[in-house]
Amino acid sequence: DTAVSQTPKYLVTQMGNDKSIKCEQNLGHDTMYWYKQDSKKFLKIMFSYNNKELIINETVPNRFSPKSPDKAHLNLHINSLELGDSAVYFCASSQAVDEQFFGPGTRLTVL
Amino acid sequence: AQSVTQLGSHVSVSEGALVLLRCNYSSSVPPYLFWYVQYPNQGLQLLLKYTTGATLVKGINGFEAEFKKSETSFHLTKPSAHMSDAAEYFCAVSYGSPNDMRFGAGTRLTVKP
Repeated sequence: DTAVSQTPKYLVTQMGNDKSIKCEQNLGHDTMYWYKQDSKKFLKIMFSYNNKELIINETVPNRFSPKSPDKAHLNLHINSLELGDSAVYFCASSQAVDEQFFGPGTRLTVL
Repeated sequence: AQSVTQLGSHVSVSEGALVLLRCNYSSSVPPYLFWYVQYPNQGLQLLLKYTTGATLVKGINGFEAEFKKSETSFHLTKPSAHMSDAAEYFCAVSYGSPNDMRFGAGTRLTVKP
């Protein structure tokens, strides 16, 4: 059983488009995250969210917005995509502040 | 602000040799410490973690790490490298609240036959 899943695995799109990446966790965790990994493998946290609080990394453009329909899902919406948004995006979850479990990643390519 | 530094973006060892990947953090408060491994085209997987208690922590795949408060270090070791250990390794620190997990820049481990 997959603990943290993401769809799609690959996403190729044109500049200016709006896209979404879905994330689901079946671990019963109360906190979910989105990370961006650039071409040099550097990982940057974008958001963390539990059912009470959304914490946004201040460097994340407001074109990015997380949406959580329920505790097991945290989707990432990106508006007006730019070339610099090309990266691998990882969803993760944890129980409180313990270890994080990562999804397989979504490779986004903006043309 | 707290940070984590991994010395060496690329480490190359021969199969059977000792693996040593270095990690230092900057903080006066002992953090929670983690090592993650990322295989090509996959997500991160936890190798081991230190929260409290014994400072020598054993993880999966024969890896271990030792928390040294005096040196603010959490180096990762494995006595004998295997070809399957080739991957990207990330050290991470957390101070107990969501959104404060900080990852190092990563170290790519190459294992030569």
